[in-house]
Amino acid sequence: EEQLLESGGGLVQPGGSLRLSCAASGSTFSIYGMSWVRQAPGKGLEWVSSITNSGGTIYYADSVRGRFTISRDNSKNTLYLQMNSLRAEDTAIYYCAKYGRKCSGVSCYSNTNWFDPWGQGTLVTVSS
Amino acid sequence: QSVLTQPPSASGTPGQRVTISCSGSSSNIGRNTVNWYQQLPGTAPKLLMYSDDQRPSGVPDRFSGSKSGTSASLAISGLQSEDEADYYCAAWDDSLNGVVFGGGTKLTVL
Repeated sequence: EEQLLESGGGLVQPGGSLRLSCAASGSTFSIYGMSWVRQAPGKGLEWVSSITNSGGTIYYADSVRGRFTISRDNSKNTLYLQMNSLRAEDTAIYYCAKYGRKCSGVSCYSNTNWFDPWGQGTLVTVSS
Repeated sequence: QSVLTQPPSASGTPGQRVTISCSGSSSNIGRNTVNWYQQLPGTAPKLLMYSDDQRPSGVPDRFSGSKSGTSASLAISGLQSEDEADYYCAAWDDSLNGVVFGGGTKLTVL
């Protein structure tokens, strides 16, 4: 079963930057879309961003658009999240997740897909 | 405030049947499929149900999903203590062009 391992979390000051990574095991990384989902302390899940298998289509939540950038390197089986202009409200555990259904051609069926599996998460704390 | 509405809590005794609702709109549940995730205490979320009513391998058939119009439901029959967890519904929203989650339902097994 494929596994996802996030890294790069830590403590950062407001206005600072951080880059998260998500390393995927297995050999099918390049045919699946990927996503980031976060969870603030004691709160529910919030979708952050998704990217298709080729990186050709990207989606962002309004709360992070213009500040966060999702990308992937299929040669390294790795997903990234570059986070700039960080705010206190960005404090959360960040999970990477793989689309459950593989992409076909240019479509990753984002509107009917699901997240499976999930990584264990990495904690980002934005505080002075 | 979440786009999808779930009750914040639910409870039942062992062996009982519990249902968790998820209410949305025509731009999300009304047009796209619903997925459910289970988050046990201190762990990452896990897929519990996909495409409205499909169980991933390994998920007991005590869990079932359904959808009608702009609402979906997750039912758990034969409740067990290990079912105590947070449950989240999710769906793609065509207006927001992204995934929306419910606020989560904390299930307590009494």
